[in-house]
Amino acid sequence: DAGVTQSPTHLIKTRGQQVTLRCSPKSGHDTVSWYQQALGQGPQFIFQYYEEEERQRGNFPDRFSGHQFPNYSSELNVNALLLGDSALYLCASSLSGQGARGYTFGSGTRLTVV
Amino acid sequence: QKEVEQDPGPLSVPEGAIVSLNCTYSNSAFQYFMWYRQYSRKGPELLMYTYSSGNKEDGRFTAQVDKSSKYISLFIRDSQPSDSATYLCAMSATGGYNKLIFGAGTRLAVHP
Repeated sequence: DAGVTQSPTHLIKTRGQQVTLRCSPKSGHDTVSWYQQALGQGPQFIFQYYEEEERQRGNFPDRFSGHQFPNYSSELNVNALLLGDSALYLCASSLSGQGARGYTFGSGTRLTVV
Repeated sequence: QKEVEQDPGPLSVPEGAIVSLNCTYSNSAFQYFMWYRQYSRKGPELLMYTYSSGNKEDGRFTAQVDKSSKYISLFIRDSQPSDSATYLCAMSATGGYNKLIFGAGTRLAVHP
């Protein structure tokens, strides 16, 4: 049973560019959350998608947007990249109603902005 | 002030030692408390989960929550080199779609 799959694993982009990161949730999960983890820091909540809608959002600018598809997979888009966007982006899937203990994290996408 | 404070370490201990990791928090609405382990280049994996106050034990790991002091702890007994990782505390409030608030993580190195 595959867990959470994220692609790509590594990415290098130039300031001002746009990037799209992808996530396939664990089989049976219907909710996808995205977190940003800067070097030496804990993950920070970006937003959560359920039933193809953004259900909750953290303190991130509108440059960060997302999408959830009917098969529950998700994309994270970041526009106008800044150097400070360099981080590990983690996708976590869960089954709605399972509560806070139900998250499964992917291994992340390491984004470097130069 | 951050909602969750965690000493980033690093912490270096000999094999077999008892390790104590802890976090403090400021939001009294937190009801769910978790400890995650994160190996290098991997995502966090859930280690311990506690609802409200109390203790929970699982093998060599014990999690404690003291809501009156807004303080949580993770104890690792008989630490092994394979326990070397970053340990993240995480918390969640009720009624909020289970958004996790993480501490900064403590890097632990267990040397043989």
